[in-house]
Parts: sequence; structure tokens; C-alpha cells
Amino acid sequence: GEDVEQSLFLSVREGDSSVINCTYTDSSSTYLYWYKQEPGAGLQLLTYIFSNMDMKQDQRLTVLLNKKDKHLSLRIADTQTGDSAIYFCAERSDYKLSFGAGTTVTVRA
Amino acid sequence: DVKVTQSSRYLVKRTGEKVFLECVQDMDHENMFWYRQDPGLGLRLIYFSYDVKMKEKGDIPEGYSVSREKKERFSLILESASTNQTSMYLCASSPRPRGGETQYFGPGTRLLVL
Repeated sequence: GEDVEQSLFLSVREGDSSVINCTYTDSSSTYLYWYKQEPGAGLQLLTYIFSNMDMKQDQRLTVLLNKKDKHLSLRIADTQTGDSAIYFCAERSDYKLSFGAGTTVTVRA
Repeated sequence: DVKVTQSSRYLVKRTGEKVFLECVQDMDHENMFWYRQDPGLGLRLIYFSYDVKMKEKGDIPEGYSVSREKKERFSLILESASTNQTSMYLCASSPRPRGGETQYFGPGTRLLVL
């Protein structure tokens, strides 16, 4: 079955860049997603990338996809305190999503 | 804006009770999903439904059942709640896959089984 892995914790200083990494196993994945979960809330879609793309940029967010290595990353530029949250990567196969365990990002002053 | 609502934010039940978690979406989405979220495990799919009265097992269906009598509503049922079902339950909906359309999530129900 599908297996998505990501590191559990990341601590970053306010104003620095954050990089969250993810690996996946399903080579037939069509889309890959990044979701954000703030405390006590559901998941909010941040961005996604189609599997035939290498990079996607959306304001402070940059997604990089290395399809050969099945590696996905999310870079957040100029990290702010409001970016403190859990970030999930997910791969889509048909209409099902497989999620990683989530990376808890803590932004320190 | 897509809206997915869940009937309760917090719920406390006793072992052996029958528990109903309700989810409603207002975007006429065909697909609906129930997940549970546990620390360090991420989201695990319990059941999903791709049409009214249709359901399919996810990765961890044991101890759960579902009901989808109307398109907008998807219910998760714990027939006899146990302490290991204490968790955060998330409902999601999505249209049929086209392009990058993804799943939209409700705020979650935090269930405590005593």
C-alpha cells in the first residue's frame, strides 16, 4: 500500500525559511498536496503539485518535487508565528489520499 | 466556499455506548470520507463513500460502520465504543477527481471514551 513519510518536528526562527520534507512510495500518484492544521482545527489545503511538474511557487510557498526519488518538499519563506502548525503531505491515487504523520512546525522569536 | 460541518466538536462517551458522528457538506460532492487522527500516525482512513448508499472500507474499518442515506450527509457509527477509539475524527468531502481537486475537511470531533 501507499506509504508517506515525513519528519515529526521542525523548529525555526521567525524570519528564516522553513523546509519540510516528505517521501512517498506510490509512483502512480497524480497529485501531491500540502495541508496545514492549526490547533483545534481541521486540515486546510495549502498548495498542490501535479506529478509532471518539478516546482510550484505560490507567494511564500515553494513546492519541489523530485519524482525519480519520490521526494516532495515545502519551503516557507520568511516564516511567521502564524505559520506554527502541523503540516501534512499527501499523495493522491484515484480519489483516495494517503497522508504522512505530519510535521509540527514551531516558530520561535 | 466549501463547508463541511461535524455535529460535535467534543464528545465524551462510556465504553460500550453506541456513538454517532455526523458530517454534512454543502457542495454537492460525490465523495465523503471519515478519518481518525492520532499523534505520530497522521490521518488514517476508516471508511469512504463515493455515492449515496455506497461505502467502502478504508485502512482501519474494524469497530466502525457508516451510513450515507443522502448525498450531503455521511455518518460514522461506533457500535460499541472502546477506549482505543479515543481520537480526533475528521470528515472530508471531495468532488469526482478532475484536475487538482482535493478533499475539504471539517473541523473535527474529539472523542473521549471512558
